[in-house]
Amino acid sequence: DGGITQSPKYLFRKEGQNVTLSCEQNLNHDAMYWYRQDPGQGLRLIYYSQIVNDFQKGDIAEGYSVSREKKESFPLTVTSAQKNPTAFYLCASSERTSGSTDTQYFGPGTRLTVL
Amino acid sequence: AQSVTQLDSHVSVSEGTPVLLRCNYSSSYSPSLFWYVQHPNKGLQLLLKYTSAATLVKGINGFEAEFKKSETSFHLTKPSAHMSDAAEYFCVVRGYGQNFVFGPGTRLSVLP
Repeated sequence: DGGITQSPKYLFRKEGQNVTLSCEQNLNHDAMYWYRQDPGQGLRLIYYSQIVNDFQKGDIAEGYSVSREKKESFPLTVTSAQKNPTAFYLCASSERTSGSTDTQYFGPGTRLTVL
Repeated sequence: AQSVTQLDSHVSVSEGTPVLLRCNYSSSYSPSLFWYVQHPNKGLQLLLKYTSAATLVKGINGFEAEFKKSETSFHLTKPSAHMSDAAEYFCVVRGYGQNFVFGPGTRLSVLP
């Protein structure tokens, strides 16, 4: 069954802790993305990756880090430098980033809450 | 530069009546346009997309959208709303070589 999985579904973090959100896809897509969604707002791009071992900052990268060691995996670390991390985080993938017709497919999301 | 405007933050319809969710875009390139639906605490699901083929695009669950270049619009419609259509809807634009740009979303409520 092809798709994108994210884990955990819910995550709680204490102040000052780093946490890592998992994203895995078996669609054989080159491009992967991380978005942040706050209540009543659209999606904001955190990081994206076009190929293994390469990634670029999106609009709100400060306080976040990523890695892309494998094609199918794109984990996101929320560091203690992110001052307001409570949000819903969505991972997505598409075949590539260079075209305009590609469709993004989304995972089910991880809700992060800072205690 | 690309941008997306969703003209209504909230739309409320009665079950069985038509749905219209409005989207206007700007793009320096010939864009692709998408509509996604999001149910509470879920990921986004693709409803339909326009990629410079037919201007009237049919999607899943009875939704369709019409690309109007002269009006830079891509409004989403459905002839008859169902209770299960209640959700958040996002219009998305993407020009060639550009990132996906999301609108702020429209919350659709369906009243019994």
